[in-house]
Amino acid sequence: EDQVTQSPEALRLQEGESSSLNCSYTVSGLRGLFWYRQDPGKGPEFLFTLYSAGEEKEKERLKATLTKKESFLHITAPKPEDSATYLCAVLLEVTGGFKTIFGAGTRLFVKA
Amino acid sequence: NAGVTQTPKFRVLKTGQSMTLLCAQDMNHEYMYWYRQDPGMGLRLIHYSVGEGTTAKGEVPDGYNVSRLKKQNFLLGLESAAPSQTSVYFCASSSDRATYEQYFGPGTRLTVT
Repeated sequence: EDQVTQSPEALRLQEGESSSLNCSYTVSGLRGLFWYRQDPGKGPEFLFTLYSAGEEKEKERLKATLTKKESFLHITAPKPEDSATYLCAVLLEVTGGFKTIFGAGTRLFVKA
Repeated sequence: NAGVTQTPKFRVLKTGQSMTLLCAQDMNHEYMYWYRQDPGMGLRLIHYSVGEGTTAKGEVPDGYNVSRLKKQNFLLGLESAAPSQTSVYFCASSSDRATYEQYFGPGTRLTVT
């Protein structure tokens, strides 16, 4: 069965304390992996798409990487405004079309 | 350019009542989706559409119906609401390829008592 697991469930950091969020997957037919940010009471906001192992994308303090079994979202010197839930999603090619599976997310809290 | 909008933002229903959630997008996207989000679980796809006049079932379609009569609108209907349908519902859209990123609306919080 296709699965996407994010860890940790919650992460508390001090401002400036760098860390990484993990998204591991056991799937077949991977076409791409997405990272989204979700603020409380709002819809997810797109951050990155990664298509192949070894690919990296960066945006401000965030850097996403992809291997054959997992993706990491590295947060360098986080600020309180980086506090949010970060979701990963895998896009799979299946018979007759496609399927997207979302992880449950990692809630990030950054304290000033 | 409003992106993806959803109405209503909040709704309380009694068991057995019906309602329709409206999603509208102004980005001329072909693909539209309805998800539900429950605590501790990832977003789960209810139904989706790959173009005007088309709909398809997602992961959790039971108890829901959808229609896409116009390209910019995607409606989600609950014919007989049940407490298990208490959730936050998100609509999303993407460009004409399934691999493109999805743009999400602000969500509708539905409570069924």
